[in-house]
Amino acid sequence: RKEVEQDPGPFNVPEGATVAFNCTYSNSASQSFFWYRQDCRKEPKLLMSVYSSGNEDGRFTAQLNRASQYISLLIRDSKLSDSATYLCVVTTNTGNQFYFGTGTSLTVIP
Amino acid sequence: SQTIHQWPATLVQPVGSPLSLECTVEGTSNPNLYWYRQAAGRGLQLLFYSVGIGQISSEVPQNLSASRPQDRQFILSSKKLLLSDSGFYLCAWSVFSGNTIYFGEGSWLTVV
Repeated sequence: RKEVEQDPGPFNVPEGATVAFNCTYSNSASQSFFWYRQDCRKEPKLLMSVYSSGNEDGRFTAQLNRASQYISLLIRDSKLSDSATYLCVVTTNTGNQFYFGTGTSLTVIP
Repeated sequence: SQTIHQWPATLVQPVGSPLSLECTVEGTSNPNLYWYRQAAGRGLQLLFYSVGIGQISSEVPQNLSASRPQDRQFILSSKKLLLSDSGFYLCAWSVFSGNTIYFGEGSWLTVV
């Protein structure tokens, strides 16, 4: 079983739409959780960390459900510039190993 | 602030040729360092990680090797490239307490 699993999509949504991605992880002892954004042919960049209480950054909201072992990312009022691949990342309790999902592709359509 | 650089950005190499990708981190001490590979349309595959000078952990058996000759320098090498080595190679760093990973700009390798 993979450490982290994501729906690869693609998600094609119109501008202004709300879209949500989920990601499940297999290790119940996982400690830290993140969402990264990767543009085409570029390196992944940190979008936001995911805290147990949930957190919001502008149009982006991230949530963690430890009981069901999944994290989610909600994007409201989608912009064309949100088109990218979104990767969920989970770390172990040692902090040395990062496990990446394969990414969910989002295309925002005019 | 911390920065990470890797080079070269793009290279085309014939099968059987050697490879050397280099990565350096500035603005931090004793970082954890990583090499990942991303094949076309696929996820990130951890190749090597290092928690200190000379300490290398290999995640996937293959014809690649890594070295860490200095605290903030990480090198990915191969003696003889295979076609299957083509991909996007990413160097990354993290600090244990921070638990966030940061990537270099990546190196595109095409083996022909």
